[in-house]
Amino acid sequence: SYELTQPPSVSVSPGQTARITCSGDALPKQYAYWYQQKPGQAPVLVIYKDSERPSGIPERFSGSSSGTTVTLTISGVQAEDEADYYCQSADSSGTYPRVFGGGTKLTVL
Amino acid sequence: QVQLQESGPGLVKPSQTLSLTCTVSGGSISSGGYYWSWIRQHPGKGLEWIGYIYYSGSTYYNPSLKSRVTISVDTSKNQFSLKLSSVTAADTAVYYCAREWRQLDGSDWFDPWGQGTLVTVSS
Repeated sequence: SYELTQPPSVSVSPGQTARITCSGDALPKQYAYWYQQKPGQAPVLVIYKDSERPSGIPERFSGSSSGTTVTLTISGVQAEDEADYYCQSADSSGTYPRVFGGGTKLTVL
Repeated sequence: QVQLQESGPGLVKPSQTLSLTCTVSGGSISSGGYYWSWIRQHPGKGLEWIGYIYYSGSTYYNPSLKSRVTISVDTSKNQFSLKLSSVTAADTAVYYCAREWRQLDGSDWFDPWGQGTLVTVSS
């Protein structure tokens, strides 16, 4: 199987910048996507195709890619950004076309 | 805008078949360019993609679940369904349906998602 690796948790103070990473061997060749999930709610897309932001998502959310790691950056973190964040991508062979990372809990101190 | 809603039994006995339906509103399931997926989340855990279907009926399943999964579509009702056979307690999870965007450059992502439905496997 194919795995995407995320840190279990990230903590930042309000107004600071949070960076959440996702690592996978196929990321140089495959797009990555990011979802935000608040307790008791369904996931919401916040970044697609590595760095594109859907309409309605605040500009403080951005994405980047470098080699086997993609990064979700939240600038000027607000209390409402506290949530679980999941990356999604695919393996290079096509056997596992949709894979999620284990998720990262963002805590706003 | 498009909305998805899961429905089905919240309790299933071990060894039986889990059956869920996703009803799509605000858009046609037959619209080209979209696939329709099922995703689950074990309690307190991460997300696991189960499989997708196109309105034509073509499917692809997660290899880890392939032997037990069937996804079907009913375009007349604007619905798609999930069947998972021979369930055990390990299949207890929140099950989500989602629309999948797919582009020619190979990109694909899930948006929007249904609210999810908890299915518990227990006798």
